[in-house]
Formats: sequence, structure tokens, C-alpha cells
Amino acid sequence: SQELEQSPQSLIVQEGKNLTINCTSSKTLYGLYWYKQKYGEGLIFLMMLQKGGEEKSHEKITAKLDEKKQQSSLHITASQPSHAGIYLCGASASTSYGKLTFGQGTILTVHP
Amino acid sequence: EAQVTQNPRYLITVTGKKLTVTCSQNMNHEYMSWYRQDPGLGLRQIYYSMNVEVTDKGDVPEGYKVSRKEKRNFPLILESPSPNQTSLYFCASSSQGYGYTFGSGTRLTVV
Repeated sequence: SQELEQSPQSLIVQEGKNLTINCTSSKTLYGLYWYKQKYGEGLIFLMMLQKGGEEKSHEKITAKLDEKKQQSSLHITASQPSHAGIYLCGASASTSYGKLTFGQGTILTVHP
Repeated sequence: EAQVTQNPRYLITVTGKKLTVTCSQNMNHEYMSWYRQDPGLGLRQIYYSMNVEVTDKGDVPEGYKVSRKEKRNFPLILESPSPNQTSLYFCASSSQGYGYTFGSGTRLTVV
């Protein structure tokens, strides 16, 4: 089965700093999803990447997909306390869109 | 409002007592899925459904059953719950090519 490894596992930054979270897959990526979760709550969909080289942005969050490296990165510019939470990447298997695997998550803390 | 609704939000039950966690979506999504989230193990898929009457196992299906008799509903059934099924459960739905929308979660404790 597909495995996703996220790094770092946790991250503490000062407000205003930029940061990057990486997600590396053990297999070819056919669809990569980024979610944000507040502890104990549901996941909020951020963005989806499907093509190698694709890059998407939403407010101050940018995600890129490097198909050759089987990797995606999530970059937050000028972080704010509202960015704090758990960021998870998910990937779908080539043979079934419905089978979605997630990484372990990255816990982000932003100090004011 | 477009949403995935799970019930109940919190449930404490005893070992062996059958229970059902309901999940309903109002977005006419063909895909629905159940996950459990545990500390240190992350989010793991239990079952998923591609459409009515079409379901398949995820990574951790043992001890669970699902059914998809209507497009909007995808209940999760624990026929004989055990303490190792104590977890935070999420239901999600999607259309192909789009991200999944998640419910708010059901925190289940089996004593």
C-alpha cells in the first residue's frame, strides 16, 4: 500500500516567519491532497494537486507537486497564529480514487 | 449548507454491544469513506464506497461493517466492539477529482 512520510513531525515558528512542510510518497503520486486539522476536530480541505509541476495557492499557503521526486511541499508565507494546527497530506491510489492514504501529520505551532 | 453529518459526536459503550455510527452527506457525492484517527498511528481508512451498493476495504477493515443502500448515507457498524476500537472516527465524501469533505468526527470509547 502507499505510504506517505511527512516532515517535520512538528514545527514551532514565530509569527511572521515562513515555513515549509514536506510530504514524500513511497509510490507514484496520482493525486495529492493537503488538509488542515484543529486538534480533535474535522479536516479542512486546503488544496489538491494532480499534475507534476502543479502549484496552487490559497491566501498565504502554496503547495507544489514534484512528480519525479514523488513529493509535495506546503509553504506558508508570513505565518500567523491562525495557521496553527495539524497539516496532513493525503494521496489516492492509481487504481482507485476512493482509496486515500494519509501521512502522519505535521503539528504547527505559531507563537505571537 | 454543504456538509457531512455524523452522529453521535460522542459515544461510550461496553464491549460486545453492537453499535452504528451514522453518516450523511447532502452534496450528491458518489464517494464516501470512513477513517479512524489514533495518536501515533495517524488517519487510517476503514472502508470506502464508490457508489450505491459498491464498497471496498481500506487499510483497517477488521471488526467493522458498512453498507451503502442510498447515495447520501454510509453507516459504520461495529457488531461486537472491543476496547481497541476506541478511537476518533471520521466520515468523508467526495466527487471524483475533488478533495474529500470531512465530518466533525465521532469520539468512541469502548469499555
